[in-house]
Amino acid sequence: AQKVTQAQTEISVVEKEDVTLDCVYETRDTTYYLFWYKQPPSGELVFLIRRNSFDEQNEISGRYSWNFQKSTSSFNFTITASQVVDSAVYFCALSEAQGNDYKLSFGAGTTVTVRA
Amino acid sequence: GAVVSQHPSRVICKSGTSVKIECRSLDFQATTMFWYRQFPKQSLMLMATSNEGSKATYEQGVEKDKFLINHASLTLSTLTVTSAHPEDSSFYICSARLAGGDIQYFGAGTRLSVL
Repeated sequence: AQKVTQAQTEISVVEKEDVTLDCVYETRDTTYYLFWYKQPPSGELVFLIRRNSFDEQNEISGRYSWNFQKSTSSFNFTITASQVVDSAVYFCALSEAQGNDYKLSFGAGTTVTVRA
Repeated sequence: GAVVSQHPSRVICKSGTSVKIECRSLDFQATTMFWYRQFPKQSLMLMATSNEGSKATYEQGVEKDKFLINHASLTLSTLTVTSAHPEDSSFYICSARLAGGDIQYFGAGTRLSVL
């Protein structure tokens, strides 16, 4: 069963538009961690954010913001005033329980294209 | 901090040869390293989990004799693709987890092309 669902395959926006990436997860654990990673065309995965299941506080970092809602099992990511450099594939990931070596279950990824 | 170096970034080899990929944590000790495979326009597929000083744990369907993993120190893990064939051509990415932490930091990946 898919543990992390990113329903949006591709999103294309014009520069300065906001873009929101959806992420829905599934787990029976009470302790878990959620992540967002960015994969630019170069291929390296860049860590963006980590959230534990006990911290539902939303977070903002520059033009990035994250909305964590346990009630809907969602951890959405918004890029405000998008720029061409934001073009990349974004992955949402889930890590369950400590005894699992903190393995990551990745979503399918959302390709964001920002046009000038 | 938390830099992971992966080498080589690209390798082209002939069918039947073996290829070794190195993954190093440069500024931290990584008790656990992970190896992933990624096909074009797809997500990352975990191949194996490597703990320092012990045998790697392979995911279901991954041939352990084909993909040899060695985690000899807290800063180095290697993946050897033995007797590579064209179907092994892919993008391989490693990650390292800081001891006591839960964040995985990724290398830049290795693009393997087997002719």
